[in-house]
Amino acid sequence: DVKVTQSSRYLVKRTGEKVFLECVQDMDHENMFWYRQDPGLGLRLIYFSYDVKMKEKGDIPEGYSVSREKKERFSLILESASTNQTSMYLCASSMVRSGPTEAFFGQGTRLTVV
Amino acid sequence: GQQVMQIPQYQHVQEGEDFTTYCNSSTTLSNIQWYKQRPGGHPVFLIQLVKSGEVKKQKRLTFQFGEAKKNSSLHITATQTTDVGTYFCAGTSGGSYIPTFGRGTSLIVHP
Repeated sequence: DVKVTQSSRYLVKRTGEKVFLECVQDMDHENMFWYRQDPGLGLRLIYFSYDVKMKEKGDIPEGYSVSREKKERFSLILESASTNQTSMYLCASSMVRSGPTEAFFGQGTRLTVV
Repeated sequence: GQQVMQIPQYQHVQEGEDFTTYCNSSTTLSNIQWYKQRPGGHPVFLIQLVKSGEVKKQKRLTFQFGEAKKNSSLHITATQTTDVGTYFCAGTSGGSYIPTFGRGTSLIVHP
């Protein structure tokens, strides 16, 4: 069974803390994504990566960075957490074919910044 | 940039009624995907449409891709309580493989 695993289901952090959200996939997928989900706003793309050490900004990259040192692992970093980054964070992966393929999502990390 | 609009935002139905959610793009899409997210869960892929005018069925679910490849719809016949959740469309255009998600339609089914 294919799996995308996010390191935490729930996190509570203080304003100004550096926060790491980890995501691991076991499907040997080239593409990995970080989304943010807020009520009424759907899924908004923060960053994506199409290969190790490669990254591209999505629609809302401000306040975030990412790291992909190994193919199976994609980390989202909040350099200095702020209350407006309280949200559900979803990691996803997909394989590369001639066109888009289905994305597999992790279970999500609900981050609260206090 | 590409925008994908999805309506309605919420839909309340009585069990047994039909349900439809619509997705419209500002640009021509190369394909469109549909996902379902159960309450408390994560999005799960349902289907991908690629061809102009394509219609695909999965049991009580019917997916359509418009002739101009700028719109799509998901229709559920005779809803059941197990259909509860948020349905997202996600469109890709040009040579990109990065889908843009609509805001989703939350389906609430009353028994």
